[in-house]
Amino acid sequence: GAVVSQHPSWVICKSGTSVKIECRSLDFQATTMFWYRQFPKQSLMLMATSNEGSKATYEQGVEKDKFLINHASLTLSTLTVTSAHPEDSSFYICSARDWDINSPLHFGNGTRLTVT
Amino acid sequence: AQKVTQAQTEISVVEKEDVTLDCVYETRDTTYYLFWYKQPPSGELVFLIRRNSFDEQNEISGRYSWNFQKSTSSFNFTITASQVVDSAVYFCALKMNTGFQKLVFGTGTRLLVSP
Repeated sequence: GAVVSQHPSWVICKSGTSVKIECRSLDFQATTMFWYRQFPKQSLMLMATSNEGSKATYEQGVEKDKFLINHASLTLSTLTVTSAHPEDSSFYICSARDWDINSPLHFGNGTRLTVT
Repeated sequence: AQKVTQAQTEISVVEKEDVTLDCVYETRDTTYYLFWYKQPPSGELVFLIRRNSFDEQNEISGRYSWNFQKSTSSFNFTITASQVVDSAVYFCALKMNTGFQKLVFGTGTRLLVSP
């Protein structure tokens, strides 16, 4: 079945630094990718939607200058948390879908970010 | 507005008990999809089922079964003869039929199955 690979699985960084998270579709072309954020014991909240070759569409309340999303190819999307702060510590999950809007979403395994 | 409600925050059962996880949704779309995902402690999301709004037939897969009631906007999930490995957080989700077709998640139900 379709596989989405997310890297890294976990990362610890110092406050003020930037962190890049990669999301790759391994056996299908990911026309659309979604980035979610999950705080401990909470639900998944959609941060942004990106279509290949276009600018990402951010959900209300998500700072686009802080969470930079790039979807330059059909197999790779990246989320960069810029100038990270402890409150950015969270679990970030990407999901991807091919051109068929009715096809199921495939999720990566998530990235646990800890900002010290 | 699209909304998914999972009223049960946490459920504890003893192994071999049956357990039902509730899911109620709100949508104005006439066509939509409903999902259940399992999130074990390791964090990844495991897809369990997708149901089209036009298909109200209940589904059974091994120990898992789903009851879709369009009249009450519910899509409940039952685990029969629960096992310790079923311990996880279970999310119900609704796929919007507009825009980017994004997935809206419920708040999740944490299931703890003890031996």
